[in-house]
Amino acid sequence: DTGVSQDPRHKITKRGQNVTFRCDPISEHNRLYWYRQTLGQGPEFLTYFQNEAQLEKSRLLSDRFSAERPKGSFSTLEIQRTEQGDSAMYLCASSPPQLTEAFFGQGTRLTVV
Amino acid sequence: GQNIDQPTEMTATEGAIVQINCTYQTSGFNGLFWYQQHAGEAPTFLSYNVLDGLEEKGRFSSFLSRSKGYSYLLLKELQMKDSASYLCAVRDRPQGHSGYALNFGKGTSLLVTP
Repeated sequence: DTGVSQDPRHKITKRGQNVTFRCDPISEHNRLYWYRQTLGQGPEFLTYFQNEAQLEKSRLLSDRFSAERPKGSFSTLEIQRTEQGDSAMYLCASSPPQLTEAFFGQGTRLTVV
Repeated sequence: GQNIDQPTEMTATEGAIVQINCTYQTSGFNGLFWYQQHAGEAPTFLSYNVLDGLEEKGRFSSFLSRSKGYSYLLLKELQMKDSASYLCAVRDRPQGHSGYALNFGKGTSLLVTP
């Protein structure tokens, strides 16, 4: 499978716990995005990597959220001290250098109880 | 920032043609994307426009007018499986540490009826 891969697909966690999601982009894509989507809304931008550099972070990304892409390949998104408002679908997307397309993974659905 | 507007809902008949409009305001345009999203699934890339004009891809076509801040997605020969949300997304021209994101509208929920 050469598409964008995300793991896990579903995560249920108790409020206050930390969670970490992983994204493996398409191999030749150097650009990687994280988004969050809630029901009835379009995806909201969280952060952007170009290779290993995190070039942009949304104001939505509170101090409890951190993302890394240490070797410019896979990326992780960690949420610390989860809150019920963090329940959403977390989507990863990747783009080639030419920016002519952006493909999404299947997402990680987070439920905080 | 950007302001992206799409109709919330549309209904069309199987076999017909439907046009979904998207208007946007941006300080430095760098591409417009259309995505299809079925309920509970991730968005699927449909098209990319950066120059004015029509891009055709099978039953789907996308049009862009940069001067008007306007795009549409045209779906021909509608099928029941085309019932989904259609998302318009715009990218700014990057400046420093901003402008790299795809900024999405809220999506248009299309219902195809028999």
